[in-house]
Amino acid sequence: QKEVEQDPGPLSVPEGAIVSLNCTYSNSAFQYFMWYRQYSRKGPELLMYTYSSGNKEDGRFTAQVDKSSKYISLFIRDSQPSDSATYLCAMRNSGGYQKVTFGTGTKLQVIP
Amino acid sequence: DTAVSQTPKYLVTQMGNDKSIKCEQNLGHDTMYWYKQDSKKFLKIMFSYNNKELIINETVPNRFSPKSPDKAHLNLHINSLELGDSAVYFCASSQGGNSPLHFGNGTRLTVT
Repeated sequence: QKEVEQDPGPLSVPEGAIVSLNCTYSNSAFQYFMWYRQYSRKGPELLMYTYSSGNKEDGRFTAQVDKSSKYISLFIRDSQPSDSATYLCAMRNSGGYQKVTFGTGTKLQVIP
Repeated sequence: DTAVSQTPKYLVTQMGNDKSIKCEQNLGHDTMYWYKQDSKKFLKIMFSYNNKELIINETVPNRFSPKSPDKAHLNLHINSLELGDSAVYFCASSQGGNSPLHFGNGTRLTVT
């Protein structure tokens, strides 16, 4: 079983829809949680960075962390065709220089 | 200005050859990483350096040798290339142990 599980999709939604992307994990020591967006033939780009449980909002993006369920989510409101990309969740332990563990990514397509 | 830059962008070579990939970051970060992304988009850490010191060394064949001449540069040398080495190699950097990673746009390596 992988440490971080993510549905690979693809996920197709109409423009304007609310998108929900999710990851589950098995390591209860994870404290820092990230969401990255990766366009084709580009590097991952940081979207959201959160510590421990709770919600964080940035424009059309909201990240949620539920440590009790070992479950994190990224919501995209009013989705746009430019949101079409692969979304990667990532997480790490706290303390020192800990490696970041990634999910396998969910491919999202927003249809105009 | 590009924050994390890698060269070359594409690398096509034959089995058995030796090749190098270079990475430079101008973010002033103290930690740099090499990640490998396979055809299924899974990102796996290979190495991490903090201020020129190796701090993470995952289970990677010793044909792969990283070198960090200073904290702004991290290179990856690969000896005796194999077909299975074909992947996209990403360089990343971060400030400190708990900060998020910032990625370059990758080097697409194809071994024939």
